[in-house]
This record gives sequence, structure tokens and C-alpha cells, in this order.
Amino acid sequence: NAGVTQTPKFRVLKTGQSMTLLCAQDMNHEYMYWYRQDPGMGLRLIHYSVGEGTTAKGEVPDGYNVSRLKKQNFLLGLESAAPSQTSVYFCASSDRLSGNTIYFGEGSWLTVV
Amino acid sequence: RKEVEQDPGPFNVPEGATVAFNCTYSNSASQSFFWYRQDCRKEPKLLMSVYSSGNEDGRFTAQLNRASQYISLLIRDSKLSDSATYLCVVRVLNTGGFKTIFGAGTRLFVKA
Repeated sequence: NAGVTQTPKFRVLKTGQSMTLLCAQDMNHEYMYWYRQDPGMGLRLIHYSVGEGTTAKGEVPDGYNVSRLKKQNFLLGLESAAPSQTSVYFCASSDRLSGNTIYFGEGSWLTVV
Repeated sequence: RKEVEQDPGPFNVPEGATVAFNCTYSNSASQSFFWYRQDCRKEPKLLMSVYSSGNEDGRFTAQLNRASQYISLLIRDSKLSDSATYLCVVRVLNTGGFKTIFGAGTRLFVKA
């Protein structure tokens, strides 16, 4: 059972470049999330989705866009990467917004130079 | 003030030791509480939920003190494999639905 899969795992970008992080889950979860994790700051919610075709802003949405065209996929886009976006990005899913367990992907290490 | 605060550690303990972590939260409307474990360069995974009456899962005991707004995790008979970062997680019900807040984590190193 793959769970939550995200790609790529590692990427180096130049300032101003764009890229998309891909996330797929095979657990038929309604809710999906994108977090970033920085030293000393914990996981911070970027955007989330409560179902196919819907997205909402989280705590730190600026500089990111998302799309949920299919229930199993949640894409995170950086239109013009900045060094401040250097971070570890985790995609996650849960069966409902109040669900006890949030399942995370393995993470994507992004460096913007 | 952070909504969920944890001592970042690191806690360095020998095998077999008992170690305890505390976590404080600021929102009295917090509904649910959890501990997640995160290994180095890995994703967080649910360790255990925290119930009002306290709960135990093998060597791990979690407790909640709503009056003082803190939760704790006790690990008995520490193993080398317990070395990880432990994340305190609080779920708050607000007008927009539930909001999940992660603490920055407490690092534990268990040494032989």
C-alpha cells in the first residue's frame, strides 16, 4: 500500500524558476494538505483541500498555488521561487478534516539558490 | 507566543532510562491531542492519541491536563530505536472547522 506519494524528493531551483510538486494518495481520502517544515518552526500549513475541485489557504499560502483536479492528486506550484521557499515540503491526507490520523508523504527537499 | 510549545531538547538519555516530554497549548478550545514521531529526514507518523483520562501504549504513556493546558509523553525503558523527534499536535475547533497545529518537536537521543 503506497499511502501518500510525493515527487520529486529533491530539487534545486534558481530564484525565479517555477516548479510543481506532485502528490498522490491511494487511500480515497477526502482531505489533502501541503505543509512546509523549517527548523524550529514546526509544520506549517500552506494550502489544503476538502475535496476534488476545492482548495483553501492555510497559514502560509503566499508564493504558492495548488490544484485538486482529481480526488487522489494534490499539486503544489511555485510560480517564481524565492530563497525563502527553501524548505522541506510534506504532502498529507486524512479521511476527514477532524480525522485523528494525518498520513504524510516522505517529503520533498527543495533548495532555492 | 506559539500556539503549541515544546522544549526542543535535545534530551540525551541512556538505554533503559525513563524520559518525559511536556507540551503546552494556548487555545482553551483545543479539542484533540496527539503525539507524532518523526525520524531524521523522514515524515511524521502518529504515535498515539492523548485522551482526557490518560492512556498507555506499551512503554508509552500520554496524559492531558486541560486545566493547565499541557500534555505529556512518558517513555519507559528507552530503546535506541526511540531516538527521534516527538511532535505535539493539537486540534482546535474554530468557525472554519478544525485546525491542526503542530509543535516544533522535542528531539530525543537514546545512547547505548
